[in-house]
Amino acid sequence: AQSVTQPDIHITVSEGASLELRCNYSYGATPYLFWYVQSPGQGLQLLLKYFSGDTLVQGIKGFEAEFKRSQSSFNLRKPSVHWSDAAEYFCAVGAASGTYKYIFGTGTRLKVLA
Amino acid sequence: EAGVAQSPRYKIIEKRQSVAFWCNPISGHATLYWYQQILGQGPKLLIQFQNNGVVDDSQLPKDRFSAERLKGVDSTLKIQPAKLEDSAVYLCASSFTSGRGTYEQYFGPGTRLTVT
Repeated sequence: AQSVTQPDIHITVSEGASLELRCNYSYGATPYLFWYVQSPGQGLQLLLKYFSGDTLVQGIKGFEAEFKRSQSSFNLRKPSVHWSDAAEYFCAVGAASGTYKYIFGTGTRLKVLA
Repeated sequence: EAGVAQSPRYKIIEKRQSVAFWCNPISGHATLYWYQQILGQGPKLLIQFQNNGVVDDSQLPKDRFSAERLKGVDSTLKIQPAKLEDSAVYLCASSFTSGRGTYEQYFGPGTRLTVT
């Protein structure tokens, strides 16, 4: 069965510092992988996605993520965090066939210190 | 390109009342999803449509929740009667589907439901 684990419920970083949010998944085949961001009172916005090919994917707002099959991970990174990045971040794994169902992690809430 | 539209944005009802949420997906997106997001959790899929057919409703509490997408475009999710534990944000998403598969999901702003 598909599952997604985001081990960090809360992360606090200083503005300008680097960021890494962890995501581990369980899936029997090559999955589709996604990172979404949710600001308070808003829906989810897609940051980036991995379907196939290059394992380092670039997204919007300066984010990138690396797919590591051997570690079943898809960690999100940003070299320099801005105060506006404070939000909740969700990792999702999607089936690459069938119903293309997504499973979401429980989210990581990012706080940015000025 | 217009995004996924949802209404209302907020709704407060008493337990045992009924409520309905509306979603209009991105034009051309055949697949539509309804999710429930309880505070502090990730979204949980309630039901998935492809055109006007149900693909997956395994996690929909069918004794009180119902959803339809009659013309394969917009959709309505209903709760009747509501319980306190239904307090959550209800998110609608849509995605493009072709012969090669289904692509990333785009989400609406959500409807925040409070049941008192």
